Amino acid sequence: AQKVTQAQTEISVVEKEDVTLDCVYETRDTTYYLFWYKQPPSGELVFLIRRNSFDEQNEISGRYSWNFQKSTSSFNFTITASQVVDSAVYFCALSDTRLDTGRRALTFGSGTRLQVQP
Amino acid sequence: KAGVTQTPRYLIKTRGQQVTLSCSPISGHRSVSWYQQTPGQGLQFLFEYFSETQRNKGNFPGRFSGRQFSNSRSEMNVSTLELGDSALYLCASSPEQGARSTEAFFGQGTRLTVV
Repeated sequence: AQKVTQAQTEISVVEKEDVTLDCVYETRDTTYYLFWYKQPPSGELVFLIRRNSFDEQNEISGRYSWNFQKSTSSFNFTITASQVVDSAVYFCALSDTRLDTGRRALTFGSGTRLQVQP
Repeated sequence: KAGVTQTPRYLIKTRGQQVTLSCSPISGHRSVSWYQQTPGQGLQFLFEYFSETQRNKGNFPGRFSGRQFSNSRSEMNVSTLELGDSALYLCASSPEQGARSTEAFFGQGTRLTVV
């Protein structure tokens, strides 16, 4: 069975602080994908990043960076110099993908609510 | 390019009724997945359709069903509604690149309230 754990239920920071959202996953698959999504109050899940299990390179996109460590089954997300617009719920997800059939289902963590105070 | 469109955005139904939700994927996307989001259970996978066939199904009772049309639009139906079915129902579409998984693009959801 697959599982994604986001232990931080809610984080509150002041604008311009750096913040790291933790994600720990469990899977028996050797091939899998990890994702981060942002959910603003409007409800839509906004895709932020996808990482496959064979690529452990860290990635940086503007103020966002991701640290994938297979040895600890973690895929953490850091926002540098946070802004009020970053306030949202952030979800980490794991893809149950069968390469033979292309079937896909995302297993989501419980989410971390980030509040950035001005 | 238009995003994933879900209709209606809000719905109020009475216990015992049935409801049909609609999802139009991004043009060219053939895979459509449905998720239920509740405060207690979080985001849970319902089912996935590709080329009018259900390819994958989550752990939900048979009251939850879906279908996909030849234009890739999808509907999900919930029969005999229960109070616990109150949730945000999210639809996601994905491009199909061989058998590789790619990111799923989500709609804004349909918020269903059962009273």
